[in-house]
Amino acid sequence: NAGVTQTPKFRILKIGQSMTLQCTQDMNHNYMYWYRQDPGMGLKLIYYSVGAGITDKGEVPNGYNVSRSTTEDFPLRLELAAPSQTSVYFCASSYLGTSISYEQYFGPGTRLTVT
Amino acid sequence: QQQVKQSPQSLIVQKGGISIINCAYENTAFDYFPWYQQFPGKGPALLIAIRPDVSEKKEGRFTISFNKSAKQFSLHIMDSQPGDSATYFCAASIGGGADGLTFGKGTHLIIQP
Repeated sequence: NAGVTQTPKFRILKIGQSMTLQCTQDMNHNYMYWYRQDPGMGLKLIYYSVGAGITDKGEVPNGYNVSRSTTEDFPLRLELAAPSQTSVYFCASSYLGTSISYEQYFGPGTRLTVT
Repeated sequence: QQQVKQSPQSLIVQKGGISIINCAYENTAFDYFPWYQQFPGKGPALLIAIRPDVSEKKEGRFTISFNKSAKQFSLHIMDSQPGDSATYFCAASIGGGADGLTFGKGTHLIIQP
């Protein structure tokens, strides 16, 4: 199993550009999440999904959009990139159901710089 | 509003010593309290977690102590090793993290040889 994979690893965007951060998991997890990590600030939830076709906002959703057409994929879309979106973005997944483990598995992250 | 407060921000411990990181939460609906470990350039990885029906959980050298009445929990790393040098995050959630985890700001731990 590859676990949670994210692409790209690094990206530099100009202000106003758009891009999609890709996230794929091969663990058949039903829940998926996007977090951003800023220095000294911990991780903050952007969006999450409880299954294909269902998404919901987290703590910091402004400037982002998500979709979940399959169980495996959960892309994050940035429209009109702003310097405030410079951050490291982590995708995570978990299985919530009959399992007693609530562990969220994180991908390696995408480091995004907006200039 | 910071729902999970973590301290200290940074910590230096000698090899073999005990590392202690503290967290306090506000939302009494939280029912799952994990600790994540993150190495530079990597994603966080679950270290140990506890639910509020127990006061302590131990896994190897790592122990979580939980005080429900004080709304506090802490991570103790016994016999700290240089390989434990990393950033540690406490977190809290409702329903096992179904709607995401609320993280503390992190503690940068350095274990000096």
